[in-house]
Amino acid sequence: SQTIHQWPATLVQPVGSPLSLECTVEGTSNPNLYWYRQAAGRGLQLLFYSVGIGQISSEVPQNLSASRPQDRQFILSSKKLLLSDSGFYLCASEPGRVIDTQYFGPGTRLTVL
Amino acid sequence: AQSVTQLDSQVPVFEEAPVELRCNYSSSVSVYLFWYVQYPNQGLQLLLKYLSGSTLVKGINGFEAEFNKSQTSFHLRKPSVHISDTAEYFCAVRGNGQNFVFGPGTRLSVLP
Repeated sequence: SQTIHQWPATLVQPVGSPLSLECTVEGTSNPNLYWYRQAAGRGLQLLFYSVGIGQISSEVPQNLSASRPQDRQFILSSKKLLLSDSGFYLCASEPGRVIDTQYFGPGTRLTVL
Repeated sequence: AQSVTQLDSQVPVFEEAPVELRCNYSSSVSVYLFWYVQYPNQGLQLLLKYLSGSTLVKGINGFEAEFNKSQTSFHLRKPSVHISDTAEYFCAVRGNGQNFVFGPGTRLSVLP
């Protein structure tokens, strides 16, 4: 089964600072990878997804970006954080060839002050 | 495109009582349906899924759900809840070749 790692677990950053969140996946190859954001007390908002190395699709226009430098690595970045970027960021992975389940990492709690 | 409605944002229930968390979806194509649970400050954990076959699906922790195509529903049930079931529950739908769409979540609070 898959294991998804995310770090850091928590992060407090000032407005205007850069961001880099990392997600790595074990136990599968060629997964589809996803970044979600969950605001306090709300559901999941899909931010980016990737079906392969270097292939990124954005669902929501914002000051965030994503990259996939390796098959099982997915990075979420920002050049300048906004207060509205605060939230709980979740990485998810699913097998690429068949309809199946998304497996989630433990999440990163980001607070922008 | 698909959408998911979870009619109850919060459900309080006493320990050992039965519970049903409601989920309805809309889609113009065949769908695959999922229930996830999220404990505080953790990621989502899969409870159960419907991909095909029997419409009654059994999952972990004693939960089950029934896919009703005519009512476009996928309600989650448990006959007797425990304090440890207190969490946020998310219903999700996916069409073939499309991304997951998650509902807004239902907060289940189990009271002693």
